[in-house]
This record gives sequence, structure tokens and C-alpha cells, in this order.
Amino acid sequence: QVQLQESGPGLVKPSETLSLTCSVSGGSISGDYWSWIRQPPGKGLEWIGYIFSSGSTSYNPSLKSRVTISVDTSENQFSLKLYSVTTADTAVYFCARRNYAAGIDAFDIWGQGTLVTVSS
Amino acid sequence: DIQMTQSPSSLSASVGDSVTVTCRASESISRYLNWYQQKPGKAPKLLIFHASSLQSGVPPRFSGSRSGTEFTLTISSLQREDFATYYCQQSYSSPHTFGQGTKLEIK
Repeated sequence: QVQLQESGPGLVKPSETLSLTCSVSGGSISGDYWSWIRQPPGKGLEWIGYIFSSGSTSYNPSLKSRVTISVDTSENQFSLKLYSVTTADTAVYFCARRNYAAGIDAFDIWGQGTLVTVSS
Repeated sequence: DIQMTQSPSSLSASVGDSVTVTCRASESISRYLNWYQQKPGKAPKLLIFHASSLQSGVPPRFSGSRSGTEFTLTISSLQREDFATYYCQQSYSSPHTFGQGTKLEIK
């Protein structure tokens, strides 16, 4: 049973970089797509981007200039960096598997989410 | 970007009722529409993929259908644990956009 767990600072200062890691357990990170999705408090879901295990990426154009997603297959984890954050980036950040390999092509496994607050 | 418009934004119903949530795509997305359930403080849970395929372990009272660019999620015989927020999401093209959500509340 694949499980995902986000980790990283819960508080980031404005203009700094938000960094989160998602650890994959119970299965290999190879051969599938791994995503970041966020949810501002009381609001809906926003897809940030994904990375395939080979390293190819796709980002939401609304965030593309500030986002980098990377993968470390040896550690079975992938990471998010969001640069030059503002208070508008305060949200619960989820990592999720986009299960393309099994033909589902949906986010079938999610981490529990981690709240990141941008504040000085 | 493909816009996903969900309706209604909120809905009140009683245990045992049947309810329908609608999601309309701004352009053709074929059958690449997924439905999620989210409870407060929890991650979303995949219910239906490819418009009408039930995810493993999801009760059969949940069903999905498609008519062109309009998609519906139907929950028959509502159970107490079904009161939550529901989101649609298109996986046809990037960015993989979500609907704004439908909050299902107990009447």
C-alpha cells in the first residue's frame, strides 16, 4: 500500500522560498507521475504541477515562473520549491500520485497535507 | 486553461435522499473527468475516474455520468458519512483544473 508523507517548515517569511518534500513508502516512485496540489484555508484545490519519475515536469502556468518540482528516485521522494512567496501562498500543500500507469489518470493517493503559513 | 464549473456550490439533503452534482467543462475533455470527496481537515479521496468508473473500495451508491461536456455525480441513498465537499477535476490537459467544490450538508 503506497503512502505519501509531506514534510517541511510550517512557516515561511514573505519573499523567501517554500520548500517541501514528499516521501513515498510502500512502493517505488518509478514509473508514475507525482503531483503537488494546494488548498488555501477555506477555499478550493489548485494543481501546482507534477513530475514523472524520469524527471520531466509540467507546471500550472499561473505558478510556473516561481515553481520547481524535483525527484530523487534513490530516496523515493520528490520535492517542491516555491520562490518569492507572499501571503497568498498560505495554504495546505498536498502531495499526490497521478496514477497514469494503471490507466486511472487521477490523483488516487494523497498525503495528509501540511499547512504552510507565509508570514513575517 | 480549461475551466470547470460546478453546481450547486452547496446543497442540503437528508439521510436516504439521492443527490446530483454537476460539473461543466469549458471545452471538450472527452471522458477525462474525476470526482473527489473531501472531509474537513482531510485530504481528498478519489471516488470516480474517467467520468463513470468507480474507484476500488468506493460504495456503489456513488455513480458518475457524462453528456458531452457536462458531467454528473450522483449519490443515491445518502449516508451520514457522505456529507462532505465534492470536487470535480479534469485530467485531459494541463493545468489539471478542479471545480470550485460543492458542499453537501445535512438538512
